Amino acid sequence: AQKITQTQPGMFVQEKEAVTLDCTYDTSDQSYGLFWYKQPSSGEMIFLIYQGSYDEQNATEGRYSLNFQKARKSANLVISASQLGDSAMYFCAMGTSGTYKYIFGTGTRLKVLA
Amino acid sequence: NAGVTQTPKFQVLKTGQSMTLQCAQDMNHEYMSWYRQDPGMGLRLIHYSVGAGITDQGEVPNGYNVSRSTTEDFPLRLLSAAPSQTSVYFCASSRRGSPLHFGNGTRLTVT
Repeated sequence: AQKITQTQPGMFVQEKEAVTLDCTYDTSDQSYGLFWYKQPSSGEMIFLIYQGSYDEQNATEGRYSLNFQKARKSANLVISASQLGDSAMYFCAMGTSGTYKYIFGTGTRLKVLA
Repeated sequence: NAGVTQTPKFQVLKTGQSMTLQCAQDMNHEYMSWYRQDPGMGLRLIHYSVGAGITDQGEVPNGYNVSRSTTEDFPLRLLSAAPSQTSVYFCASSRRGSPLHFGNGTRLTVT
């Protein structure tokens, strides 16, 4: 069975510092993708970054990077130089080629402090 | 450039009433899905579809029906609403292996 685990219900970070949001996953599929989404207080879901299971390099998108450790089945999101606008809920998600399902973790609420 | 369109944005139902949440996408995505979001539980998959005429159950399918007669549309039906179905509902679509595109959500309250 597939599973996504986010163990940090809430996190605080000082403005301009970096923060790591944890995500571990479980799947028996060899081909899968890992995604991170941001949900601000307005409620929409915003795609941030993607990592494929066969990608050898960690994905980066601007201030976002994905620390992918395949052997540990972890896909942590790193946000560098945090901004007040980064305060939001963050979800880790996985999609597998076998089941074609996308499943989500329970989320981490990040608060950036001025 | 509509993307994924969900209607309505808000809905209040009485217990036992039925309704349909509408979802349409104009990106020719084969994959469409419905999620519900509850505090502390993240997004849970209700039903999904990998193409017209093909649907399957997700993690929490009970109380919900879906159909996929066209590539564009994937409505979610509540046949007899219950207070436990009070939630925020999201429709999403994608190409296989690509990021999901989400609608703006429907906030449903069942009294």
